[in-house]
Amino acid sequence: DGGITQSPKYLFRKEGQNVTLSCEQNLNHDAMYWYRQDPGQGLRLIYYSQIVNDFQKGDIAEGYSVSREKKESFPLTVTSAQKNPTAFYLCASTENTEAFFGQGTRLTVV
Amino acid sequence: DQQVKQNSPSLSVQEGRISILNCDYTNSMFDYFLWYKKYPAEGPTFLISISSIKDKNEDGRFTVFLNKSAKHLSLHIVPSQPGDSAVYFCAASWGTSYGKLTFGQGTILTVHP
Repeated sequence: DGGITQSPKYLFRKEGQNVTLSCEQNLNHDAMYWYRQDPGQGLRLIYYSQIVNDFQKGDIAEGYSVSREKKESFPLTVTSAQKNPTAFYLCASTENTEAFFGQGTRLTVV
Repeated sequence: DQQVKQNSPSLSVQEGRISILNCDYTNSMFDYFLWYKKYPAEGPTFLISISSIKDKNEDGRFTVFLNKSAKHLSLHIVPSQPGDSAVYFCAASWGTSYGKLTFGQGTILTVHP
């Protein structure tokens, strides 16, 4: 089955620790994206990558980092510099005009 | 600055009736608009889209209308079904960066049997 896999579904971390969220796709899409959703808000773009070894900051990139060493993988690291990391994180990829989303990772920082 | 706005946080509709979800945008560069449906703790799933060269697009029970002069779009669901109950997000993009979407805040639709 083709799709986007995010793992884990739920993640707990202590304040001050870096944490990496996984996103893998087997759709052969070039472009991949990371969004963040907070209660009562729409999804906001963190980082995106339109091709391997290249990525750009989105609207809320501060405190996050990404890499794109392989076409299939676009991991997101939430660093200790992110002031409010608790949120629902969504990874997406695009084919033509449609964006496909993973199931999301709920990150809770305690 | 919220470039895409969904001003109704929630909408309640009787099964079989029409659901109308509204969305306004401010950036006239947007040329492609999408509607996504989302259940709690899941990723959004694509519903329907419309290019700025059209004013209407239909797909089964779902129709999206675009009024470029008013910078307004709406999603009509006819007839509404209880399974349609979810959060609906309006999103917009421009150029060829189709995944670089600007989302509205979402509208919670509840369809009562």
